[in-house]
Amino acid sequence: NAGVTQTPKFQVLKTGQSMTLQCAQDMNHEYMSWYRQDPGMGLRLIHYSVGAGITDQGEVPNGYNVSRSTTEDFPLRLLSAAPSQTSVYFCASRDFFGEQFFGPGTRLTVL
Amino acid sequence: SQQGEEDPQALSIQEGENATMNCSYKTSINNLQWYRQNSGRGLVHLILIRSNEREKHSGRLRVTLDTSKKSSSLLITASRAADTASYFCAFGSMDSNYQLIWGAGTKLIIKP
Repeated sequence: NAGVTQTPKFQVLKTGQSMTLQCAQDMNHEYMSWYRQDPGMGLRLIHYSVGAGITDQGEVPNGYNVSRSTTEDFPLRLLSAAPSQTSVYFCASRDFFGEQFFGPGTRLTVL
Repeated sequence: SQQGEEDPQALSIQEGENATMNCSYKTSINNLQWYRQNSGRGLVHLILIRSNEREKHSGRLRVTLDTSKKSSSLLITASRAADTASYFCAFGSMDSNYQLIWGAGTKLIIKP
């Protein structure tokens, strides 16, 4: 099993550009989520999904969209990038017992 | 904010010593989890303790949970250089079964 995969690993954007961060998991987990991690802070939840076709907002959803058309994929879209979105983004899926499995992260810089 | 609080923020010890990290929270929880993050990498799950459990072991890791004090501790015994990493606690709130609330982490450095 590949677990949780994320692409790209690194990305540099200019202010106002849009892009999609890809996330996929092969563990058949219903629950998936996106976090951002900033220096000195814990993870902050952006959006999450409890199954295909169902998404909901987390703590910091502004400026981001998600969709969940399949169990495997959970892309995160930045609509109009801002410097405040410079961060490391992690995708995670969760098993029945509550353990979360994380992808390797995407390091995003917005100039 | 419901965010968990961890202390210390940073800890530096000699190889072979024990390392203890603490996590406190303010809400009622279903479970509390500890994760490790090596520099520049994703987080790795270490251990989950449920609200009705008081102590749990996994190898050199020992986790305790005191729901009356709303706190948990992670003990790493006989530390190794490879234990150098950041350690995060995260708890599942009674208010939302799906979301984990995260602490800011403890940065652990093991000196050889």
